[in-house]
Amino acid sequence: KAGVTQTPRYLIKTRGQQVTLSCSPISGHRSVSWYQQTPGQGLQFLFEYFSETQRNKGNFPGRFSGRQFSNSRSEMNVSTLELGDSALYLCASTSRQGSEQFFGPGTRLTVL
Amino acid sequence: AQKITQTQPGMFVQEKEAVTLDCTYDTSDPSYGLFWYKQPSSGEMIFLIYQGSYDQQNATEGRYSLNFQKARKSANLVISASQLGDSAMYFCAMREGPHDYKLSFGAGTTVTVRA
Repeated sequence: KAGVTQTPRYLIKTRGQQVTLSCSPISGHRSVSWYQQTPGQGLQFLFEYFSETQRNKGNFPGRFSGRQFSNSRSEMNVSTLELGDSALYLCASTSRQGSEQFFGPGTRLTVL
Repeated sequence: AQKITQTQPGMFVQEKEAVTLDCTYDTSDPSYGLFWYKQPSSGEMIFLIYQGSYDQQNATEGRYSLNFQKARKSANLVISASQLGDSAMYFCAMREGPHDYKLSFGAGTTVTVRA
């Protein structure tokens, strides 16, 4: 069974640009969550999508948005990038019972 | 208030010994789940073990076991027979409610296994 995949693995952008990250969950998993990891703030929840609907949202500005497609793949978009958006962005795929939440390898975003 | 507290920033353990990583949590929801993850320097987050609030037995997965003390709101991870490959950051996390998959993470504990 294939794991969670995230693309791209690494990104370098400049301030003011926008970026789109992609996540494909484990086959059969309909829930996809996104997290931001930084040395200062640790792991913080961004949002969760289930069956193409945003079910939960963390405390992030509106520059951070996402969506989920009918095949459960999800994308996350960050507009007007700031230096503080430099982070590891992790996507997680959750089983139906909620007892297993598997993470992808992450996308490391650097904003210059 | 912090939902997950990991009080040990870093630990050293000798190869082949057991190590216990502390985790306390705070929730008023009767239905919740506790997770432990391992994050090596490569950055990937590896799922280790899960304990549901209604589970009667402590969870075990190979060399990993979870010491779940519900009344004390404690969910410590025990790694038995430590190996050099166990050197990593370990995170405790919690989801609250039966249908809420949002995880709240602790600050993590760095484990270094010495030969």
